[in-house]
Amino acid sequence: DAGITQSPRHKVTETGTPVTLRCHQTENHRYMYWYRQDPGHGLRLIHYSYGVKDTDKGEVSDGYSVSRSKTEDFLLTLESATSSQTSVYFCAIRDLLRAQYFGPGTRLTVL
Amino acid sequence: QQQVKQSPQSLIVQKGGISIINCAYENTAFDYFPWYQQFPGKGPALLIAIRPDVSEKKEGRFTISFNKSAKQFSLHIMDSQPGDSATYFCAASMGGGSQGNLIFGKGTKLSVKP
Repeated sequence: DAGITQSPRHKVTETGTPVTLRCHQTENHRYMYWYRQDPGHGLRLIHYSYGVKDTDKGEVSDGYSVSRSKTEDFLLTLESATSSQTSVYFCAIRDLLRAQYFGPGTRLTVL
Repeated sequence: QQQVKQSPQSLIVQKGGISIINCAYENTAFDYFPWYQQFPGKGPALLIAIRPDVSEKKEGRFTISFNKSAKQFSLHIMDSQPGDSATYFCAASMGGGSQGNLIFGKGTKLSVKP
């Protein structure tokens, strides 16, 4: 395994509540990513980080924010969860050869 | 121009057969082409990757074929086994920085029948 953990692994929440997902790496890589995966859409990039406090938007960033205060941790926040954000969320890290390694995923259900 | 088009969406192969999944791209600046394998309930796992200085790369039963002039690359799974049943994603990226972010195909669900 590439030394990536995600927490929680499963979460059920209600519409309108804030949710924070955590990604933790032990590899000291600069680049970290958050993706969502939905049937028929493959993997879609939400946000990514290229260093501590350095982040940028992906193709589906609306409704999501991120923070990276330490190299090892990358947080994804849904400020006010909606049913359309029910999905499986994957974190990934990128090594110096541009290979990306994915975490085990978080299954989020918004009721 | 940033898209990677993957086909087929789903594939059924008999045990022992050859599975072939194709991807096409438009951006000639892409220079890194990985394939990922994903089992249900798991994260995608890097399977094999190729750079355009070679036309083929083999790792065990898995081979990437790369055709630079046609802007296509494909994954071949030889002697396919039921344990290969998974969803496969191709991807591409170029250069460093944010350009090194991967652009993914939409995936192919492979079922290998015993």
